[in-house]
Amino acid sequence: DGGITQSPKYLFRKEGQNVTLSCEQNLNHDAMYWYRQDPGQGLRLIYYSQIVNDFQKGDIAEGYSVSREKKESFPLTVTSAQKNPTAFYLCATSLAGGPDEQFFGPGTRLTVL
Amino acid sequence: GENVEQHPSTLSVQEGDSAVIKCTYSDSASNYFPWYKQELGKGPQLIIDIRSNVGEKKDQRIAVTLNKTAKHFSLHITETQPEDSAVYFCAASRVLSSYKLIFGSGTRLLVRP
Repeated sequence: DGGITQSPKYLFRKEGQNVTLSCEQNLNHDAMYWYRQDPGQGLRLIYYSQIVNDFQKGDIAEGYSVSREKKESFPLTVTSAQKNPTAFYLCATSLAGGPDEQFFGPGTRLTVL
Repeated sequence: GENVEQHPSTLSVQEGDSAVIKCTYSDSASNYFPWYKQELGKGPQLIIDIRSNVGEKKDQRIAVTLNKTAKHFSLHITETQPEDSAVYFCAASRVLSSYKLIFGSGTRLLVRP
C-alpha cells in the first residue's frame, strides 16, 4: 500500500446518492488510476490521469466522474447514474510514461443499500 | 477486443509443492506483463514482472516465463508455503495506451499445510 491512502475503508450509501471516494498519494507519481473489482473478476479500469488537470476514460467510465486538481489527489465520484455501484474500488499510481509498475492503495468497499 | 485469459480460477496445492498459473493475451504488441498478489481485503501488490525482451525472470521462489510467439506467460511458485495463499492476477500492457493494463480474472491459490 505504501504511500497511497484511500478513505474510508468501508462506505455505505443509499441508492440514488452520489458518493466521493478519496485517493491521496505521497509517492510523487504522475499517473493515477481508478479500478473497480467485483467478486471473481479482474480489475477493470474506470478512469486514469497522466498529469494534473488531465484525465481519460477507461473501460467502464459510465456513471463515474473524477478530477485531478493536485498531483497528490485523484477523487472518484460514483454518481446515481451508475447502475450497480456496489464493489471494491482500488486506486493506483505509477511513476510516469510507458508501461510500468502500478502501486495500489488498500481499497474502499462501497455498498449501496 | 483486447483481453487476458487466466487459468485456473482456483488452485489447491500441498505445502512444499509447486504452483503454476497461466495467462494468454490477445494483443501481440503488449510488452509488459506484471503479476500481482492480493490478500483478502487488501490492494494488489506486485510480486514479479517481465518485459517482452526477456523470456524468463526469477526472484527466489517465484519465476515468470514469457512465450511471445504463443502469446502466453506463466507464474511459477516453488516450495509453496501457507502464506502464499492469496489471489493472483496477471496483466498485460496495451502499447497503444501505454498507461493501461488489462488484468486477468484472477487465480485463488490455497496452500494446504
